[in-house]
Amino acid sequence: SQTIHQWPATLVQPVGSPLSLECTVEGTSNPNLYWYRQAAGRGLQLLFYSIGIDQISSEVPQNLSASRPQDRQFILSSKKLLLSDSGFYLCAWLTGSGNTIYFGEGSWLTVV
Amino acid sequence: GQQVMQIPQYQHVQEGEDFTTYCNSSTTLSNIQWYKQRPGGHPVFLIQLVKSGEVKKQKRLTFQFGEAKKNSSLHITATQTTDVGTYFCAGGRYGNKLVFGAGTILRVKS
Repeated sequence: SQTIHQWPATLVQPVGSPLSLECTVEGTSNPNLYWYRQAAGRGLQLLFYSIGIDQISSEVPQNLSASRPQDRQFILSSKKLLLSDSGFYLCAWLTGSGNTIYFGEGSWLTVV
Repeated sequence: GQQVMQIPQYQHVQEGEDFTTYCNSSTTLSNIQWYKQRPGGHPVFLIQLVKSGEVKKQKRLTFQFGEAKKNSSLHITATQTTDVGTYFCAGGRYGNKLVFGAGTILRVKS
């Protein structure tokens, strides 16, 4: 069966520090992968999506970037974090049929 | 661009009361999906509706897709404390992107 793993689960980072969140999917090949952000008590904002290796689309301008060095690996990064980057980051993948998204367990980022 | 509006933003009900959240899209959708996020957790897929006018039930939950495929609703009969969480609708267009509504936060008083 397909599974999605995301880490770290929580982190506290100072303003101006770098960020790297990693996501891997198992049990499938060539998945569509997504990064979402959820501010506290808010909805889901699509940040990036990828349809294949090194194929990344950005939905919103920001100081974050994404990379997909391998088929089932999706990385969210930042060179210098801002306070406004705090939130709950969710990696997700799209099933091949039915257009359904499955989310990882999420990463809580607090920028201080 | 495509927008998906969801109301209400927040609802607090007494246990045993019914609850409904509504979702409206600015464009015609290929499908609508519903997700539930428990406090502190991640969104979990509940159901997908594809056909115009479709109605699906999962125990106490009833999902509807409008005839024009631009709106949807989720109705919970006789809420329980286990229903607490945020309910998101997500509209799918022909392609691989879903647009999520802002979610409805449900709190249940026992």
